[in-house]
Amino acid sequence: AQSVTQLGSHVSVSEGALVLLRCNYSSSVPPYLFWYVQYPNQGLQLLLKYTTGATLVKGINGFEAEFKKSETSFHLTKPSAHMSDAAEYFCAVSLRGGADGLTFGKGTHLIIQP
Amino acid sequence: GAVVSQHPSRVICKSGTSVKIECRSLDFQATTMFWYRQFPKKSLMLMATSNEGSKATYEQGVEKDKFLINHASLTLSTLTVTSAHPEDSSFYICSARVISGSLVSVDEQFFGPGTRLTVL
Repeated sequence: AQSVTQLGSHVSVSEGALVLLRCNYSSSVPPYLFWYVQYPNQGLQLLLKYTTGATLVKGINGFEAEFKKSETSFHLTKPSAHMSDAAEYFCAVSLRGGADGLTFGKGTHLIIQP
Repeated sequence: GAVVSQHPSRVICKSGTSVKIECRSLDFQATTMFWYRQFPKKSLMLMATSNEGSKATYEQGVEKDKFLINHASLTLSTLTVTSAHPEDSSFYICSARVISGSLVSVDEQFFGPGTRLTVL
C-alpha cells in the first residue's frame, strides 16, 4: 500500500516570496506522483506529475517539483508567489499512473500575504 | 480536450431519499472512472473504481449497497447514494482515465468539478 504525507496543513508566504510545499510518500514500487490544485468549490486541476525519466518536473503556473527517491520526497516549489496561487494543494501517488485510483495527502492550504 | 463533467453540481435532499450523480467524459472515452469523497477541509478518499461493463470495485469500508455505481457506457458513470442520511453529506468527485487518442496523456486522470450533496 502507498501513502502520502504533506507537512503543514497551512503555509503562508508573502507575495513574491518562494513557495515550498512538502510531500513525502511511501510506496513498495516506483510510484507515479502528482500535484493537484483545488480552488474553493471546484474540482482538482493537475499541476504536474512524475512518471519516469527526469526527476525535475515543470508544471503549469510556474510550479515545479523534484522527485528524490533517496528522500522519498516530491516537494512543490514556485520561485515567486502570486495572489492567485492561494488555494488548496494536494500531493497524490499511484502505482500505475492513471490506471489506479489515487492516494492523496491531506492537503496544504496556501495563503498568500500581500 | 479531456473534460469531465458532473451533474448536478449541488443537490439538497431529505433524509431517506436516493440521489444519483452523473459523471461524463465529454471528449474522450474512459473505460475506468473513479469516485472520491471529500470531507470538509480534508483530503479526497477513493471510494470505488468503476469499469465499463463490469461491477465496480469498492475500497475497504465503503458500503457497496449504499453507494451504487453503474458504468454503462464509455462516457458515463453514475453514483447513486441510496437512503441518504445527513452523514452522507459531502463533496463527491469523479475522475476518468484517458484510454485513447487526442492530445492528452494516457497516464492521467481528469477530474470532474464535483457534486456537493447536502442531506437534511
